[in-house]
Amino acid sequence: GQNIDQPTEMTATEGAIVQINCTYQTSGFNGLFWYQQHAGEAPTFLSYNVLDGLEEKGRFSSFLSRSKGYSYLLLKELQMKDSASYLCAAWDSNYQLIWGAGTKLIIKP
Amino acid sequence: GAVVSQHPSRVICKSGTSVKIECRSLDFQATTMFWYRQFPKQSLMLMATSNEGSKATYEQGVEKDKFLINHASLTLSTLTVTSAHPEDSSFYICSARSPLTGETGELFFGEGSRLTVL
Repeated sequence: GQNIDQPTEMTATEGAIVQINCTYQTSGFNGLFWYQQHAGEAPTFLSYNVLDGLEEKGRFSSFLSRSKGYSYLLLKELQMKDSASYLCAAWDSNYQLIWGAGTKLIIKP
Repeated sequence: GAVVSQHPSRVICKSGTSVKIECRSLDFQATTMFWYRQFPKQSLMLMATSNEGSKATYEQGVEKDKFLINHASLTLSTLTVTSAHPEDSSFYICSARSPLTGETGELFFGEGSRLTVL
């Protein structure tokens, strides 16, 4: 079957760096997404990786290794507003989006 | 980025009634829209793919007669929860891809609609 694995919850300190890992098993692969979802709100797009390597976008970076079925989202200079759930999702060969359960990130002062 | 608007954001209804949720793409035409539901502390679950001018494609286990989807125009899709019951209480979210974003395929989500069935 197809599935996405990511930690349920992580805690980090304001100003620090945190890495959220995601592993995926899909039938084919056409890219991996990271979304941010604040409690009670809809997800918002953060990043898309389809080739191996690191994509940097401001304080957020996303990494992909297709051979390992692995991705991570790196958040730097954490701010309290970064407290949210981070959803990892992968496109399979049919461009069906497979979603992870999300990682709840708690930022402490 | 592209804007998707969803209405209502919250709705409370009595068991047995029907509820309609609207999803609009405000600044682009969406031939395809996606309807998700999300239970607390769980991930998004795709319910159906809404196709403009044709029948929606439902995911396995989703009752098409209970969750009616209409995509009558390129900017509007509606989800009607018919004869709602308490177990239908959930967060319903629509999304669409904009042709303006090229190959990234990012989804733009509506604000979500929290349905509570008493």
